[in-house]
Amino acid sequence: EIVMTQSPGPLSVSPGERATLSCRASQSISSNLAWYQQKPGQAPRLLIYGATIRATGIPDRFSGTGSETEFTLTISSLQSEDIAVYYCQQYHNWRITFGQGTRLEIQ
Amino acid sequence: QVLLQASGPGLVKPSQTLSLTCAVSGGSISSGNYYWNWIRQPAGKGLEWIGRVYTNGNTGNTLYNPSLKSRVSISVDSSKNDLSLRLTSVTATDTGVYYCARGPASVAAAGRGFWFDPWGQATLVTVSS
Repeated sequence: EIVMTQSPGPLSVSPGERATLSCRASQSISSNLAWYQQKPGQAPRLLIYGATIRATGIPDRFSGTGSETEFTLTISSLQSEDIAVYYCQQYHNWRITFGQGTRLEIQ
Repeated sequence: QVLLQASGPGLVKPSQTLSLTCAVSGGSISSGNYYWNWIRQPAGKGLEWIGRVYTNGNTGNTLYNPSLKSRVSISVDSSKNDLSLRLTSVTATDTGVYYCARGPASVAAAGRGFWFDPWGQATLVTVSS
């Protein structure tokens, strides 16, 4: 099983500032990584797939970088509606696994 | 626009079988273009992929998370355009929110998985006597 580890723990960022979330894979997963946003009481929403490709309708303040084992999700200018838990997910292997999530808070 | 809606009994007794259904609208579950999945989230915890089903109307296949394989079954009813989940011998650790979600079949080559989009509205399951 490929283990996905996200950091930091809760992340506090001021409105308008940049938020940087990290995800590490226990082995190389090439670019087979997706990011999701989950707001309270809602299902996760796909933000990024292929490590860098924004899903349809996702604002361009969201961007993904990385490959192999190290990945980053960046929100360039934090908006209040971005407060959520963010999950990374690998699909390099058919046994799909998720990171434990990073909670993003307003500072 | 495809929509998914999970449903089922909110309360299941320990050792019994959990049965959930996910209704798909806005697209055919048998198009052959997608895998249909169940994913769960224990209260206050992260996400766990349960398994997937594929059908193109003629052939189909399933694949399950090894951690649940001995207890789980996923199937499709093409006439109703829905998919179902059965989880046997449930315990309190099976309590949580259950989602159905779609994944693109074109990505799942050579042993790969896929991303999930969209996700359905969840259903909460509590295992308790």
